[in-house]
Amino acid sequence: EDQVTQSPEALRLQEGESSSLNCSYTVSGLRGLFWYRQDPGKGPEFLFTLYSAGEEKEKERLKATLTKKESFLHITAPKPEDSATYLCAVRELQGAQKLVFGQGTRLTINP
Amino acid sequence: ETGVTQSPTHLIKTRGQQVTLRCSSQSGHNTVSWYQQALGQGPQFIFQYYREEENGRGNFPPRFSGLQFPNYSSELNVNALELDDSALYLCASSPPSNMNTEAFFGQGTRLTVV
Repeated sequence: EDQVTQSPEALRLQEGESSSLNCSYTVSGLRGLFWYRQDPGKGPEFLFTLYSAGEEKEKERLKATLTKKESFLHITAPKPEDSATYLCAVRELQGAQKLVFGQGTRLTINP
Repeated sequence: ETGVTQSPTHLIKTRGQQVTLRCSSQSGHNTVSWYQQALGQGPQFIFQYYREEENGRGNFPPRFSGLQFPNYSSELNVNALELDDSALYLCASSPPSNMNTEAFFGQGTRLTVV
C-alpha cells in the first residue's frame, strides 16, 4: 500500500531563515508527486508536480526536488506569508487517479 | 475560467441524519474526487467519479455514496452520520488523463456532527 510520511510535523522559522521540508514515499509505480499549500480552513492550493527522479521545479521562494524515495521542498528566505501547512501527495501509475497524502508540515514564519 | 466550487461552506448536522455536499468542477475537467480531512491530518481519498461512474474508492463504508452529473458536477452523500464524520470535505477536479494530472481543490465544506 502506498505510504507518504512528511517531516517535521511542525517547523518554526524566523523570517529569512531558509530550510527544507521532507516527504518520504513508498509507491508501486510513481505517476507523479504533488506539493500543495493549505491555509487554515481552506482547500489545498496546487504548487508543483514532479514526475521523475532528478526533476526540480521552482516558484518564487519555493523549490521542489525529487529522488526515487523522497522529495524536498526547499524554502529560501521565507516571509511570514509563507506560513501554511505544506502537503505532499503521490499518485500511482495504475488505477484511479487518487492522491495519497502525507499528514503535512505546519510551517510558521515569524517576522 | 472558474475554479472548483463547493457548497455549502459550513453545516452542522445531528448524529443519524443524512447530508448532501455539492461540487462544481473546473471548466474542462471530467474527473471529480472527494476527500475527507480530519483536523491536523492529510486528506483521505473517499472515491472518484469519471464520466458519471465511480472509478475508484478508498476505505470508506457504503453509507458514503456519490453521483456525477453530465456537466461533471458531483454530489457526496453521507447517511447515518456519526460523530467521527466531522471533518473538512474536499472536492478535487482533474482534466482528462492524457493531459496534466494535477488535481485542483475547492475550498471545502466543514461538516460538524453533534
